[in-house]
Amino acid sequence: DTAVSQTPKYLVTQMGNDKSIKCEQNLGHDTMYWYKQDSKKFLKIMFSYNNKELIINETVPNRFSPKSPDKAHLNLHINSLELGDSAVYFCASSLNRGYEQFFGPGTRLTVL
Amino acid sequence: AQSVTQLGSHVSVSEGALVLLRCNYSSSVPPYLFWYVQYPNQGLQLLLKYTTGATLVKGINGFEAEFKKSETSFHLTKPSAHMSDAAEYFCAVSDTFRSGNTGKLIFGQGTTLQVKP
Repeated sequence: DTAVSQTPKYLVTQMGNDKSIKCEQNLGHDTMYWYKQDSKKFLKIMFSYNNKELIINETVPNRFSPKSPDKAHLNLHINSLELGDSAVYFCASSLNRGYEQFFGPGTRLTVL
Repeated sequence: AQSVTQLGSHVSVSEGALVLLRCNYSSSVPPYLFWYVQYPNQGLQLLLKYTTGATLVKGINGFEAEFKKSETSFHLTKPSAHMSDAAEYFCAVSDTFRSGNTGKLIFGQGTTLQVKP
């Protein structure tokens, strides 16, 4: 009965590879988000979708591309991975914009 | 633009002592304010939130926070610390839900709470 789930939990890969992280929520929420937490634990918004429409696209390299096939899913695809992409990526969802957000367990990405 | 400053990256208290984690915000519109807790290797869990109404809000695990508009503060307190409170705490601000606003969370840099026996 997990509310917001992410797969995989850990991802170790080589520089230059392409990888995807998947996120699913079973809360019936309209809005989903991707956040990046760096090694100093600083959290920053990357993207947000509301009803499958992109509403937030922060200053993120275009190697990062979110995809929302439906309201319950928001995936993150990363091309040509770089060392600096190593971080923990959190997915979150909320009933709508401005409501409290529920976070997934995170995906720890390590780029070697 | 909105921003959040958490004063003190590390706070250490003894078990049973008062916990006070400081948060100041900047916002050009009435803010929504949140405190989240992150236990090691886990996601973020909402402790409490302020949107409108009563400025003293109570959350889970005995935590509470008071919204003080004049001081632009939203400090988190707990009367008596427990060992299980040791974690990372994040204060966050969001713009209120109106047409055109995104609802994105702007986080402070986090405060690590250590609880000593």
